[in-house]
Amino acid sequence: EIVLTQSPGTLSLSPGQRATLSCKASQSVNSNYLAWYHQKPGQAPKLLIYAASSRATGIPDRFSGSGSGTDFTLTITRLQPEDVAVYYCQHYGTSVGYSFGQGTKLEI
Amino acid sequence: VQLLESGGGLVQPGGSVRLSCSASGFTFSNFAMGWVRQAPGKGLEWVSDISATGGRTNYADSVKGRVIVSRDNSQSTLHLQMNSLRVEDTAVYYCAKAGFWFSVDVWGQGTTVIVSS
Repeated sequence: EIVLTQSPGTLSLSPGQRATLSCKASQSVNSNYLAWYHQKPGQAPKLLIYAASSRATGIPDRFSGSGSGTDFTLTITRLQPEDVAVYYCQHYGTSVGYSFGQGTKLEI
Repeated sequence: VQLLESGGGLVQPGGSVRLSCSASGFTFSNFAMGWVRQAPGKGLEWVSDISATGGRTNYADSVKGRVIVSRDNSQSTLHLQMNSLRVEDTAVYYCAKAGFWFSVDVWGQGTTVIVSS
């Protein structure tokens, strides 16, 4: 089983700043199967990034993903109030299914 | 593209519930599907997924042996049969469509299952 650990638990920043969210896997993973989501209060999650660094349809270029092996990062530039959400990383393994990180709460 | 879940409700411990997800706006039979749940105030937990043809299924350890995922490609419908329900199964259950590289590119609005006596 691959465990994804996200940090920090909560991130408090101001509008216009840059957010850096971390996702560490318990063992090396195929970065093609690493995705990021955000979930705004009362809503279903929404896909932001797939294959570690590819933006999903309609996601602004303020959102970017990077990383490989065990360390992955979601970066959000020029923070806006509407970016308030919980952010999750996710991995898929063909024999073990999906796993999610515990989430990072972004406050602005 | 839309996923619409149904079937949630209040169930007694030890009871059963069958969740359904009706898909529209895409060729359902071409995509793997799955279920993800979220307990109150908690994070996302993958429950189960099923391949496009239905020939392969995966289950989280927390539900293995109590849950069966199935699909009817002729009806563009995904199902989750949950048996021997426990209080800790209380959650919002989201239907999920697999996208590129098995990301989840479409989510339903969720259906709530409450397991309580």
